Amino acid sequence: QVHLVQSGAELKKPGASVKVSCKTSGYTFNDYYIHWVRQAPGHGLVWMGWINPKYGGTVYAPKFQGRVTMTRDTSITTVYMHLSGLRSDDTAVYFCARSYGSNEFDYWGQGTLVTVSS
Amino acid sequence: SFELTQPPSVSVSPGQTATITCSGDALANQYAYWYHQKPGRAPVLVIYKDSERPSGIPERFSGSSSGTTVTLTISGVQAEDEADYYCQSADISNTWVFGGGTKLTVL
Repeated sequence: QVHLVQSGAELKKPGASVKVSCKTSGYTFNDYYIHWVRQAPGHGLVWMGWINPKYGGTVYAPKFQGRVTMTRDTSITTVYMHLSGLRSDDTAVYFCARSYGSNEFDYWGQGTLVTVSS
Repeated sequence: SFELTQPPSVSVSPGQTATITCSGDALANQYAYWYHQKPGRAPVLVIYKDSERPSGIPERFSGSSSGTTVTLTISGVQAEDEADYYCQSADISNTWVFGGGTKLTVL
């Protein structure tokens, strides 16, 4: 079975950085893009960007360009999302999800709550 | 980037039909996808490529497209269908956008 398992909740201070992991299993890692989507409390889904695990290429949403970096470790089929310069409005649940090319997000991680507070 | 617009809320009685619309210029040329999300849970895909239904999704869920508007229809709504629904699409550079979401209330 396909699984995307994310790292645990994080509490960070303003200005700090956070790195969230997404461990994948049950499919060929290189065949599916991994996307990151966040959801602030009481708000909707916001797409942050994707990484192509085969080549490491990335595309980021303009809103996050310059602050987000997505990487992968093919040896452990894990993708990472690093967000820097954290602000209180970065408090959100962060999800990873996979897609086969430019297709639907068919499997999602369970979400990781990142809280930014002084 | 582009935008997708959904109504904030839709309310229906059990057994009735719920329709949720999503509009945006990009939808004239790109597929739309629909997800539902219950509190504290990850989104779940219910419709892909405008009108295709993934395995395991009940037949009462259907999708359609006309011009720059796509529609999610839930026939014979059940209490368990109460959730937030999001449409989604991508542009030709594989940049994605979600609609603002629609809260479906089953009265």
